[in-house]
Amino acid sequence: GAVVSQHPSWVICKSGTSVKIECRSLDFQATTMFWYRQFPKQSLMLMATSNEGSKATYEQGVEKDKFLINHASLTLSTLTVTSAHPEDSSFYICSALEWDSNGYTFGSGTRLTVV
Amino acid sequence: SQQGEEDPQALSIQEGENATMNCSYKTSINNLQWYRQNSGRGLVHLILIRSNEREKHSGRLRVTLDTSKKSSSLLITASRAADTASYFCATNSNSGYALNFGKGTSLLVTP
Repeated sequence: GAVVSQHPSWVICKSGTSVKIECRSLDFQATTMFWYRQFPKQSLMLMATSNEGSKATYEQGVEKDKFLINHASLTLSTLTVTSAHPEDSSFYICSALEWDSNGYTFGSGTRLTVV
Repeated sequence: SQQGEEDPQALSIQEGENATMNCSYKTSINNLQWYRQNSGRGLVHLILIRSNEREKHSGRLRVTLDTSKKSSSLLITASRAADTASYFCATNSNSGYALNFGKGTSLLVTP
């Protein structure tokens, strides 16, 4: 079946630094990717929707300059958390929508800890 | 935006018992899906039920959908300790749109 590879699985960074998270669709083309954030014991909150070759659409309350999303190819989307702060510590998960399919495939998530 | 509400928020049962989780949503949907998430891991798709379907089975899973009440239930029969996880319902209003997740039910199955 479809697989989305998400890296890194966990990362610890210092306040003020930037962290890049990658999601790659393996063996299928993902025209749309979604980025979610999940705080402990809470549900997944949609951050943004990214379409290949165009600017991402951010949900209300999500700062586009802080969470940079790039979807330059049909198999790769990246989320960069810029100038990270401890409150950005969370679990970030991507989801890829396969072309001409109703199938959503999720990455394994990235645990970000900002110290 | 978050629109699903699951209940119970937490459920603790013994192996062999059945586990029932409910989900309610607010807007019209294209389909409803159930996912499972082990602690600190990604999501695993369990089952999808379309808006014109009322019931669906997959192995030990049984899902119902009542669009008039905007609710769904997930039944796991003959539960196992390995079923311990969080379960989320997710909906979208149209094909290709982002999934909106419910708050989830944390299931604990004790041996």
